[in-house]
Amino acid sequence: DAGVIQSTRHEVTEMGQEVTLRCKPISGHDYLFWYRQTMMRGLELLIYFNNNVPIDDSGMPEDRFSAKMPNASFSTLKIQPSEPRDSAVYFCASSPSATTGTEAFFGQGTRLTVV
Amino acid sequence: GENVEQHPSTLSVQEGDSAVIKCTYSDSASNYFPWYKQELGKRPQLIIDIRSNVGEKKDQRIAVTLNKTAKHFSLHITETQPEDSAVYFCAASNAGANSKLTFGKGITLSVRP
Repeated sequence: DAGVIQSTRHEVTEMGQEVTLRCKPISGHDYLFWYRQTMMRGLELLIYFNNNVPIDDSGMPEDRFSAKMPNASFSTLKIQPSEPRDSAVYFCASSPSATTGTEAFFGQGTRLTVV
Repeated sequence: GENVEQHPSTLSVQEGDSAVIKCTYSDSASNYFPWYKQELGKRPQLIIDIRSNVGEKKDQRIAVTLNKTAKHFSLHITETQPEDSAVYFCAASNAGANSKLTFGKGITLSVRP
């Protein structure tokens, strides 16, 4: 398995534009997480899905942020309109279903720069 | 919700010395505590984890200890090497209820050659 795939490593967009980040989780994993990493706030959980259903989106900072998981092999995180303060590294991660805690496997991350 | 804190925020040690990184958590229901290492420009990767039914776990040069009463857990690295230089994140979750991992802000470990 190639691991969690975030095909775009760097994304640059202009303020006010829509930006969509994409993620392919590891096949067979039931959980998918979107994290944002900044120097000031560290790794913040934005939203996570279980079996394609959003479970907790309390970390989504504003209504400008939305996430979808239309099927088990694909998820998107959309920011519209984007702002310079959204600049960060966005990580997608997935983990198998477990009741005792298991490893979250991270993608390479997408570094978003909003100018 | 869960709140995970790490102290200190940076740590510098001489190669060969030991390093100890501490984390505290707030939710007594948390029962799974992983540690992730993130090298510069790379993704976080799991290095060791511990569940609430044990107090200590060891894997070669790294070990993790858990004190449930005090709600803190620590990462111990012995015989540090320059390649141990990275950002280390602790995390906590209540794995029985969900798999939501709450991370600390991370500690930058520098190992001086």
